[in-house]
Amino acid sequence: DGGITQSPKYLFRKEGQNVTLSCEQNLNHDAMYWYRQDPGQGLRLIYYSQIVNDFQKGDIAEGYSVSREKKESFPLTVTSAQKNPTAFYLCASDRGRTTGELFFGEGSRLTVL
Amino acid sequence: GQQVMQIPQYQHVQEGEDFTTYCNSSTTLSNIQWYKQRPGGHPVFLIQLVKSGEVKKQKRLTFQFGEAKKNSSLHITATQTTDVGTYFCADRGSTLGRLYFGRGTQLTVWP
Repeated sequence: DGGITQSPKYLFRKEGQNVTLSCEQNLNHDAMYWYRQDPGQGLRLIYYSQIVNDFQKGDIAEGYSVSREKKESFPLTVTSAQKNPTAFYLCASDRGRTTGELFFGEGSRLTVL
Repeated sequence: GQQVMQIPQYQHVQEGEDFTTYCNSSTTLSNIQWYKQRPGGHPVFLIQLVKSGEVKKQKRLTFQFGEAKKNSSLHITATQTTDVGTYFCADRGSTLGRLYFGRGTQLTVWP
């Protein structure tokens, strides 16, 4: 079955540590996205990529980094520079056009201790 | 950047009552998408509206796009406990790749 796989589902990290969240899709989608969700805040865009080897900052990119070396993969690194990293992170993909639905992974919940 | 305002933030209804959430923008919306996120889950696409004045129905759900393309609404008739969740509207905007989400309306349905 086609879909988006995020891992890990739950992650705990100590302050000062970088952590990388994995996102893989087998939908043959060109575009991939990372969103952060906090209670009452909706979905805020961190980074997005329309094509391999290219990506753009979203609204809250500070303290995060991404790479897009393969069409199927769009990992997100939460660096120690992110001041409040505890959140629910959602990866999504679509065909990269002006219409069409966004497909989401099941999310990764990061807790910084 | 583009802002999509969604109200109310929370709505509590008795099972069988109707529910409506509204999405508004000060600028013309490109096309509106609606998503539902169950508690503990991820957003799932419900529908997309593109044309001015468009109305679409999915069983008890009715979606509308305003004539001026500056607002949209989702109406649920006779809510059921399975309708519980957060409903988000989102606009594609004018920048390829950007989807601007409202903050969502969290619906609670009491049996």
